[in-house]
Amino acid sequence: IQLTQSPSSLSASVGDRVTITCRASQGINSYLAWYQQKPGKAPKLLIYAASTLQSGVPSRFSGSGSGTDFTLTISSLQPEDFATYYCQQLKSYPLTFGGGTQVEIK
Amino acid sequence: EVQLVESGGGLVQYGGSLRLSCAASGFTFSHYAMTWVRQAPGKGLEWVSTISVSGDNTYYADPVKGRFTISRDDSENTLYLLMNSLRADDSAVYYCARYVRPVYYFDYWGQGILVTVSS
Repeated sequence: IQLTQSPSSLSASVGDRVTITCRASQGINSYLAWYQQKPGKAPKLLIYAASTLQSGVPSRFSGSGSGTDFTLTISSLQPEDFATYYCQQLKSYPLTFGGGTQVEIK
Repeated sequence: EVQLVESGGGLVQYGGSLRLSCAASGFTFSHYAMTWVRQAPGKGLEWVSTISVSGDNTYYADPVKGRFTISRDDSENTLYLLMNSLRADDSAVYYCARYVRPVYYFDYWGQGILVTVSS
């Protein structure tokens, strides 16, 4: 199952609303997770089951979608949110990640 | 506190072997599936392998199938990845992660260990 993320990069300002999309090549129900990765660090789980916020993750992050189309939204971008974001499908093996979306400071 | 600490990485020659270890603490290791994910320099994340709770079921990405072997030692709370016939495109940072099922996600990750395959 291939995952296509868009955009591959974006520039935004603090306070902006940011939306990242992830499209699966076939239906994956809600078996989708989102991760944030900062340079030189391990990925951090943000969202699982497409829309469930991981404990400790700020509520400005939200996820939606089911089937083949998913979105990650950051309602008000904060300085610590500048990072690369990945979606991942866990419906079937081989497990796959999207290509990533790099969120940069405008 | 959940901790995953990888070790065993380094520089290895093309065609060589390496065994990565992931020492787990802060949770009941035997109750969780575990997984390896890698990231080549400047590239995205790539799932490598998963082992079930019992260890009876293992899964591999196509590029490593037949060359890599995942295993676990619940008595030592340790996950392993034996890598044989290493190639240049296996060069990456390797992460171990805890795999939560049946909800399905990787919730805790190690800090990563670098593997470099030289030709």
